[in-house]
Amino acid sequence: QSALTQPASVSGSPGQSITISCTGTSSDVGGYNYVSWYQQHPGKAPKLMIYDVSKRPSGVSNRFSGSKSGNTASLTISGLQAEDEADYYCSSYTSSSTVVFGGGTKLTVL
Amino acid sequence: QVQLVQSGAEVKKPGASVKVSCKASGYTFTSYGISWVRQAPGQGLEWMGWISAYNGNTNYAQKLQGRVTMTTDTSTSTAYMELRSLRSDDTAVYYCARIKKLPPLNWFDPWGQGTLVTVSS
Repeated sequence: QSALTQPASVSGSPGQSITISCTGTSSDVGGYNYVSWYQQHPGKAPKLMIYDVSKRPSGVSNRFSGSKSGNTASLTISGLQAEDEADYYCSSYTSSSTVVFGGGTKLTVL
Repeated sequence: QVQLVQSGAEVKKPGASVKVSCKASGYTFTSYGISWVRQAPGQGLEWMGWISAYNGNTNYAQKLQGRVTMTTDTSTSTAYMELRSLRSDDTAVYYCARIKKLPPLNWFDPWGQGTLVTVSS
């Protein structure tokens, strides 16, 4: 199972919006509405930010939103804040009943 | 609160085995599963597999088949991950994470603090 494709890095200024893409295949992202997104600060464990493409767990800011079109899912962060600077990973359930992660995207807040 | 606490760092020689534990608290252990994810230094997340604490079913990543075993002890709400025939490229931080007790595995929440396993001669 190949990793999902994410851009290596994205950046934005405080207050702006950014979008991180996550591209897979019809056997994972395109085949199921089971894409989730994780935020990871340096030296810390990942934190669930979005699940089932667009659902937010309790306690996650509504500045974070998710969507999907075909084989590509997206995470949008609006009103960028300094604390959003982190690595972001997407993941998807697959047709083999396994999970595949994206390669990760480093978000820099300028 | 829901919490997963993992065992401490390990240093192993190539060819050895390692067993990492993950103790759950704050929820009914058998109503969920546990997945294991690892992260090599400076690299991304790699899914290793999962075990249902509900019925003991497992599913492992193909590349680790034959080298990894995941188990649970429901009496102590603890999950274990054993990796055998260690190689240098197994050096990584190993995380456990709570998941649903049955597929589809659509989220991991929360995660343990991570356990660094170093494989070096």
